[in-house]
Amino acid sequence: AQTVTQSQPEMSVQEAETVTLSCTYDTSESDYYLFWYKQPPSRQMILVIRQEAYKQQNATENRFSVNFQKAAKSFSLKISDSQLGDAAMYFCAYRRSGNQFYFGTGTSLTVIP
Amino acid sequence: KAGVTQTPRYLIKTRGQQVTLSCSPISGHRSVSWYQQTPGQGLQFLFEYFSETQRNKGNFPGRFSGRQFSNSRSEMNVSTLELGDSALYLCASSLDGRVEAFFGQGTRLTVV
Repeated sequence: AQTVTQSQPEMSVQEAETVTLSCTYDTSESDYYLFWYKQPPSRQMILVIRQEAYKQQNATENRFSVNFQKAAKSFSLKISDSQLGDAAMYFCAYRRSGNQFYFGTGTSLTVIP
Repeated sequence: KAGVTQTPRYLIKTRGQQVTLSCSPISGHRSVSWYQQTPGQGLQFLFEYFSETQRNKGNFPGRFSGRQFSNSRSEMNVSTLELGDSALYLCASSLDGRVEAFFGQGTRLTVV
């Protein structure tokens, strides 16, 4: 069974600084997708970034980038120039096929002004 | 383009009752999946529907069921509600399950 582990329940970062959220996963599949979702207090799950396992190049979306290490089954999220609006719960998620996600337990990010 | 719409947003039910939640996916999306989110168990997969057929099912008791209509709208039903069913129920809409999914705002169910 697929498992996703986020070992940092809480993280904090100073505004304008950089923070990295960790995620590891376990799978025997070779073709899959990895995602980072953000869930602010409104509870709306918002897609931050996604990575296809077959792509070696790390995905980047503006201030958000990932470090995807397929052999190590590691998928960390780096947030640069942190902003107050980045404060939220961040979930790492795995999906092989279909619309079935496996989520980590989440990391609560606080941004300090 | 309208997003994923879940109704109702909030619901209070009594133990033993049943409840039906609705999810309208993004226009053109044929895959809908459902998740239960609780503080203790996190986000857990309930089931996925694609073109009116259940494609995957999570590890939940038979009291949890769902269906999908020809217009891709999906409903989930929980019968004989228990206090532990109190949770945020999220649905995710995807074109075909191979690209990113978009989530609704959820239905907050409270069982008293």
